[in-house]
Amino acid sequence: GQQLNQSPQSMFIQEGEDVSMNCTSSSIFNTWLWYKQEPGEGPVLLIALYKAGELTSNGRLTAQFGITRKDSFLNISASIPSDVGIYFCAGQRSNDYKLSFGAGTTVTVRA
Amino acid sequence: EAGVVQSPRYKIIEKKQPVAFWCNPISGHNTLYWYRQNLGQGPELLIRYENEEAVDDSQLPKDRFSAERLKGVDSTLKIQPAELGDSAVYLCASSSPLAGLTGELFFGEGSRLTVL
Repeated sequence: GQQLNQSPQSMFIQEGEDVSMNCTSSSIFNTWLWYKQEPGEGPVLLIALYKAGELTSNGRLTAQFGITRKDSFLNISASIPSDVGIYFCAGQRSNDYKLSFGAGTTVTVRA
Repeated sequence: EAGVVQSPRYKIIEKKQPVAFWCNPISGHNTLYWYRQNLGQGPELLIRYENEEAVDDSQLPKDRFSAERLKGVDSTLKIQPAELGDSAVYLCASSSPLAGLTGELFFGEGSRLTVL
């Protein structure tokens, strides 16, 4: 079953606003990833984090790997309509191919 | 470069019927995964292949689910007989061996199964 808790579950935002979401786990992961899934599509990798405390940006996206290795945060700045979708966090342990996904945060952007 | 290709995109069947899903991974990707995504949830791993070998099938319900990757390229996931609770999106993903260890998976569009 799901080991990761994502919040919020959903959010409705105005175009141009910043978005923040987070993911927590009861266990430690060595890699944190953020994927985005649009309707009718498979998830697409946005950002990967490999070191505790790491802060990584990809365009308007910024993600952080929590110091405790039990959490991660994703921020989207100046949202645009194409940011609509479901954002999933995923954790991975060392030398393990398996990804454990959260239940997702659904983002809806109002123009 | 072509992405991961899955078919069919949609399938509606009655319970107790069999169903099969097909996946063609990205060329050169030795590692292939089948994930199941229930409504409102994230994907959950069913099985992972390295070439033609199923190296992790611990999450596959083996009483009714089976999978194969005979030549180490295409893969088929089968459910027989299907139950109402099998309604979900079945996602195929692939990665190169090293990228798989860093979580970099490439997913197909998925096959949405509805069991009536």
